[in-house]
Amino acid sequence: DQQVKQNSPSLSVQEGRISILNCDYTNSMFDYFLWYKKYPAEGPTFLISISSIKDKNEDGRFTVFLNKSAKHLSLHIVPSQPGDSAVYFCAASADSNYQLIWGAGTKLIIKP
Amino acid sequence: GAGVSQSPRYKVAKRGQDVALRCDPISGHVSLFWYQQALGQGPEFLTYFQNEAQLDKSGLPSDRFFAERPEGSVSTLKIQRTQQEDSAVYLCASSPQETQYFGPGTRLLVL
Repeated sequence: DQQVKQNSPSLSVQEGRISILNCDYTNSMFDYFLWYKKYPAEGPTFLISISSIKDKNEDGRFTVFLNKSAKHLSLHIVPSQPGDSAVYFCAASADSNYQLIWGAGTKLIIKP
Repeated sequence: GAGVSQSPRYKVAKRGQDVALRCDPISGHVSLFWYQQALGQGPEFLTYFQNEAQLDKSGLPSDRFFAERPEGSVSTLKIQRTQQEDSAVYLCASSPQETQYFGPGTRLLVL
């Protein structure tokens, strides 16, 4: 029973265009959501987060949108750069400082 | 900067061998988490410490897994009598409040 789902195992985007990564969740108790980026042989690196009291959070090229009624969040990267090629994980928590429940990840490939 | 460090980075163990994985969290971070990540999957929660207190160990897969953080800083995850299904990357994260910061992980291969 996957509580956090990333349905696209991979995504290929042209450099300079927008990358949109999607994440769905089932547990209505989740109130804090994070996106992590992971390069091979490294640990996940925190990118951006959003709490359930907001529907949008922006940090430079990265924006996270939260649709609570649809239990859906997305990460937008604009413009996409070659260094953005990595695996992106969506994670959720029912308490902002507690265990994270993770999706399986989406591999983003930025084509030059 | 001093991030979360883990050692060893790679460990090959024979089935039945005991292993110990070390995590050095970011200084001052109260919370510490251990996760297990299988190939092609997201990390799965193992256990959580607040200072030296282990507040949740519900994710530990069996009683062969044991974690400690005796002085509220460095933590050790011990796996006794390793089995092939224990092969995974073991990630440690520390957190001051909300965001968890991860170490590079220890890749364990049990033969």
